Amino acid sequence: AQSVTQPDIHITVSEGASLELRCNYSYGATPYLFWYVQSPGQGLQLLLKYFSGDTLVQGIKGFEAEFKRSQSSFNLRKPSVHWSDAAEYFCAVVLSGGYNKLIFGAGTRLAVHP
Amino acid sequence: DVKVTQSSRYLVKRTGEKVFLECVQDMDHENMFWYRQDPGLGLRLIYFSYDVKMKEKGDIPEGYSVSREKKERFSLILESASTNQTSMYLCASSSLAVSYEQYFGPGTRLTVT
Repeated sequence: AQSVTQPDIHITVSEGASLELRCNYSYGATPYLFWYVQSPGQGLQLLLKYFSGDTLVQGIKGFEAEFKRSQSSFNLRKPSVHWSDAAEYFCAVVLSGGYNKLIFGAGTRLAVHP
Repeated sequence: DVKVTQSSRYLVKRTGEKVFLECVQDMDHENMFWYRQDPGLGLRLIYFSYDVKMKEKGDIPEGYSVSREKKERFSLILESASTNQTSMYLCASSSLAVSYEQYFGPGTRLTVT
């Protein structure tokens, strides 16, 4: 069955440090991949998406993600974290067929130290 | 600007009560979704609707029902609330053309006592 794994439940970084959040998927074909962010008390906001083509995709708020087919990964990165990036981050994959259902990972909660 | 609103941010209900959670979107989207969010489990799909009066079960429909009488409104109903339905509920919508790009509401945190 298709699944999405985010190995890190919590991550803490210092403000200004670089960030990488991991995401691995289990899927037979090349999936559509997404990263969403949920700030405290808010709904989910789409950060970026990958469908095909260039494996390095740019998103909003200075985030980028790289699709690596050989590793079944779609890791999210940011070169310099800001305190406002503290939030929960969800990786998701589209289960194609039918109505393109999104399958979410369990999420990674990011804390940022000043 | 895209907007999905949910009727309540916080709700406290008693076991056995009938609970209605409402979601409204202003983007004329065909698809609407209800998710449940629990720590360590991410988001799980309860029900979705691809048209007025149409609905499909998601991964965890037990104990829930839905109603979509108008295109912009999608209601989640807990027929007889139980404590294990204490959770954060998120509504989302998407267009038919870009169905995988979902827009989310702020969520309703439901506590059943």
